[in-house]
Amino acid sequence: DAGVIQSPRHEVTEMGQEVTLRCKPISGHDYLFWYRQTMMRGLELLIYFNNNVPIDDSGMPEDRFSAKMPNASFSTLKIQPSEPRDSAVYFCASSLRGGQAYEQYFGPGTRLTVT
Amino acid sequence: GENVEQHPSTLSVQEGDSAVIKCTYSDSASNYFPWYKQELGKRPQLIIDIRSNVGEKKDQRIAVTLNKTAKHFSLHITETQPEDSAVYFCAASSPGGYSTLTFGKGTMLLVSP
Repeated sequence: DAGVIQSPRHEVTEMGQEVTLRCKPISGHDYLFWYRQTMMRGLELLIYFNNNVPIDDSGMPEDRFSAKMPNASFSTLKIQPSEPRDSAVYFCASSLRGGQAYEQYFGPGTRLTVT
Repeated sequence: GENVEQHPSTLSVQEGDSAVIKCTYSDSASNYFPWYKQELGKRPQLIIDIRSNVGEKKDQRIAVTLNKTAKHFSLHITETQPEDSAVYFCAASSPGGYSTLTFGKGTMLLVSP
């Protein structure tokens, strides 16, 4: 398996533009997580899905952020409109049988810069 | 919710020395404690984990200890090497049956040759 796949790897956009980040979890994993990493706040959980259903989105900072998982092999995180403070590295991670707290496998991340 | 504190934020050692990173957690119901290593520009990767029914676990040069009573756990790296230089994150699982993790702020370990 290729591991968790994220695209794009780097995104530079202007304030006010819509940004869509994409994630393909490891095949067979039933949990998918979106994290944001910054120097100031560390690794923050934004939202997670179980069997394609959003379970907890309390970490999503504002209504400008939304996430979907239309099927078991694809998820998106959208920011609309983007702001400079959204600049961060966004990681997607997946795990198997989350109820037993199994290992989370991280994707390579998307480095987002909003100017 | 769960709160994880990690210390120190930076740690500099000489090659061959030992390094210890400590974390505390707030929720006594947490039962899974992984450690992740993140090299510069790379993704976090699991290096070792421990569950609440175990007090210590070793894997070659790394070990993790857990004190449930005090609600703290530590990462020990012996015979450090320059390639151990990275940011290390501890985490604790949330109670309630889901595998969400609350991460510490990270420790930047620098191993000088």
